[in-house]
Amino acid sequence: AQSVAQPEDQVNVAEGNPLTVKCTYSVSGNPYLFWYVQYPNRGLQFLLKYITGDNLVKGSYGFEAEFNKSQTSFHLKKPSALVSDSALYFCAVSQTEQNAGGTSYGKLTFGQGTILTVHP
Amino acid sequence: NAGVTQTPKFRILKIGQSMTLQCTQDMNHNYMYWYRQDPGMGLKLIYYSVGAGITDKGEVPNGYNVSRSTTEDFPLRLELAAPSQTSVYFCASSVQGRLGGTQYFGPGTRLLVL
Repeated sequence: AQSVAQPEDQVNVAEGNPLTVKCTYSVSGNPYLFWYVQYPNRGLQFLLKYITGDNLVKGSYGFEAEFNKSQTSFHLKKPSALVSDSALYFCAVSQTEQNAGGTSYGKLTFGQGTILTVHP
Repeated sequence: NAGVTQTPKFRILKIGQSMTLQCTQDMNHNYMYWYRQDPGMGLKLIYYSVGAGITDKGEVPNGYNVSRSTTEDFPLRLELAAPSQTSVYFCASSVQGRLGGTQYFGPGTRLLVL
């Protein structure tokens, strides 16, 4: 069974400093990895995903993530944090799931989330 | 293009009451999903649908029902509300359910069962 771990419940950084939000995964086969962001009282917004190819994936709002197969990690990064980046961040992994009727779909399994707080 | 919309935004139910959470998407996506989000937890899949007329259970389906009569709509029904169903519910859709397909989420419905 696939799983995702976000080892830090909370990350605090000063505005202008680089930020990293950590994610490790466990999946059989090739992983398909996602980062989503959730602002207060809002739904999840897609940031970026890794399917194949370059290990450094660039996404929305200046975020990027580095896929490391040997460490089974997919850490989210940004070179210079903004106060407006403060939000809840979710890492997710997708793997094929098949229902009883034989229909396949890409099941998303989410980590528990990391609260990012950027201080002025 | 509104994306995925959900109603209501917030609702308080008494134990044993029933209600339907509405979800509509205007992106012509075949796949739709219902998740619940509990504090300190990731999202858990309740039900999903691969197209009109086809639905299936996710990880936590007990206490819920769904239907999919059109491509656009995917309502979630709570028949006998219980305090354990207090949560935030998110609907999502994707153009197809293939591996690596991006899911797009609605703004959520906050439900409190007392």
